[in-house]
Amino acid sequence: GAVVSQHPSWVICKSGTSVKIECRSLDFQATTMFWYRQFPKQSLMLMATSNEGSKATYEQGVEKDKFLINHASLTLSTLTVTSAHPEDSSFYICSARTGRDGKETQYFGPGTRLLVL
Amino acid sequence: GQNIDQPTEMTATEGAIVQINCTYQTSGFNGLFWYQQHAGEAPTFLSYNVLDGLEEKGRFSSFLSRSKGYSYLLLKELQMKDSASYLCAVMDSNYQLIWGAGTKLIIKP
Repeated sequence: GAVVSQHPSWVICKSGTSVKIECRSLDFQATTMFWYRQFPKQSLMLMATSNEGSKATYEQGVEKDKFLINHASLTLSTLTVTSAHPEDSSFYICSARTGRDGKETQYFGPGTRLLVL
Repeated sequence: GQNIDQPTEMTATEGAIVQINCTYQTSGFNGLFWYQQHAGEAPTFLSYNVLDGLEEKGRFSSFLSRSKGYSYLLLKELQMKDSASYLCAVMDSNYQLIWGAGTKLIIKP
């Protein structure tokens, strides 16, 4: 199947710093990438939808100035958590949508675990 | 509103068969997905149904009835490694995935 990578897999940072997470589709071009957040024992929550070359669409309640998303190319999207606080500690997962094999499918990256001290 | 319902938790025995149901009400339909998520890991793709009927992939099968807004994931010959959460998701008319809360499957020896 298609491969999506995320970097870094683990981040520990101090409160007030910014953290950048990269999401790459390794063997396909993704016109659309998604960023999710998952708190322990809870469902995936969609944060934003990112289309290559255009501004991201944020879900209600997600601050676009705090969670900066850049979809610079068909294989790379970045999420920057600005001025991170302990409540931003979570598991951040990206996914990339592809129509390969004749079907629309989303493939997930391995996730990035963020801990803000 | 849009809604995906699936049981919160199920328990089954190693070697047995289990069926995880999912019902949905969404604005439009462009396919239904099942994902497996082990604790602490990202979801992995299991199956995709867009037409009515049963899709079989090894020990896992997925069924869809669009008229009933219903799907199930069938797991046969259960193994301990199948203990995970199983997520049902529907792609709506805007090609956005609407997620169920997931079903935690516990496998007992």
